[in-house]
Amino acid sequence: GESVGLHLPTLSVQEGDNSIINCAYSNSASDYFIWYKQESGKGPQFIIDIRSNMDKRQGQRVTVLLNKTVKHLSLQIAATQPGDSAVYFCPGVGKSTFGDGTTLTVKP
Amino acid sequence: GAGVSQSPRYKVAKRGQDVALRCDPISGHVSLFWYQQALGQGPEFLTYFQNEAQLDKSGLPSDRFFAERPEGSVSTLKIQRTQQEDSAVYLCASSHQGGPYEQYFGPGTRLTVT
Repeated sequence: GESVGLHLPTLSVQEGDNSIINCAYSNSASDYFIWYKQESGKGPQFIIDIRSNMDKRQGQRVTVLLNKTVKHLSLQIAATQPGDSAVYFCPGVGKSTFGDGTTLTVKP
Repeated sequence: GAGVSQSPRYKVAKRGQDVALRCDPISGHVSLFWYQQALGQGPEFLTYFQNEAQLDKSGLPSDRFFAERPEGSVSTLKIQRTQQEDSAVYLCASSHQGGPYEQYFGPGTRLTVT
């Protein structure tokens, strides 16, 4: 089955700095990956996705990098803002195993 | 357009009571998911529907949990004889295609069992 894990449960950054949140997966057959953001009291919100035939995808202030060789993906947030403070998840495919996420705290 | 809505937003039940949680997915979305999220943890998969068919219910923690989607739109998660360990936020998500692709989540129902 699929397992995903985030490398760090918490990450604290200064406002304006760039943030990098990492995720590992175990199933080499995985072909689709999603990042979600969950703010306090709300449901998870889709941020960006990437298919396995890509190694990079950019959105607005966010970039996802996929390294299939080491089965690792990362979410980069440029110029982190207080509104980026949330829990970030990278669920696997199949049953969408979310794991416990990485809590990003942005310090003003 | 309207997103996924859930009702009630908050529910307090005495232990042993039955509860019913409702999810209104985005119109036209084929797939519907239910998750349970304990405090400080990520969402845990409960069950998955494609239209009215319940394709996966392997995440339901016990036979006290039951979900239905009779007409392929609105879904209800029912918990019978609630226990304190059932206290959690119950999230519903819908997707416009089959499989766990980009999902749109509702705000959740916070269930507290006293």
